[in-house]
Amino acid sequence: AQSVTQLGSHVSVSEGALVLLRCNYSSSVPPYLFWYVQYPNQGLQLLLKYTSAATLVKGINGFEAEFKKSETSFHLTKPSAHMSDAAEYFCAVMIPGSQGNLIFGKGTKLSVKP
Amino acid sequence: DTAVSQTPKYLVTQMGNDKSIKCEQNLGHDTMYWYKQDSKKFLKIMFSYNNKELIINETVPNRFSPKSPDKAHLNLHINSLELGDSAVYFCASSPAWGNTYNEQFFGPGTRLTVL
Repeated sequence: AQSVTQLGSHVSVSEGALVLLRCNYSSSVPPYLFWYVQYPNQGLQLLLKYTSAATLVKGINGFEAEFKKSETSFHLTKPSAHMSDAAEYFCAVMIPGSQGNLIFGKGTKLSVKP
Repeated sequence: DTAVSQTPKYLVTQMGNDKSIKCEQNLGHDTMYWYKQDSKKFLKIMFSYNNKELIINETVPNRFSPKSPDKAHLNLHINSLELGDSAVYFCASSPAWGNTYNEQFFGPGTRLTVL
């Protein structure tokens, strides 16, 4: 069965610093991978997705993620954090043809200090 | 225009009551979902419907019954509410099931509190 592990339930960075949120997955077949962001009291918004095309994926708000099959990882990065990036971030995996069943990680809360 | 909307946004009720949460999408999508987010922010799929037909039914108590009157609506009815049902429930929709991938668009959530 597929699963997602997000290392670190809480990450704190200073404004302007690099953001790195870690995601590792387990899957018996090549998966699709997603990062979603949830701002306080809001629904989830798709940041970016990997669907077996380019391994380096660029998303909205300056975020990007790299799919590394050898490491079964899909870490999310942003070169310079903004205060507005403070939110909960969820990594998710989907098996192609699985009827849209998204399996989510437990989330990482990103705090940005002035 | 709101893409995926849910009503109500907040729902406070007593144990044992029956309640419903409504979801509507105006994206023309064929597939709709219900997710539960618990107090630790963990998100888990409950159901998915494709063209009004139940596709995914995860291990959910049968007190939870989804109803899809048409492909733009997926309502969630909960009977005999329990304390453990307190959570945020998210509705989502995606383009036709079977595409190369299903980007899911989420509603704003309904925070259910059972007292």
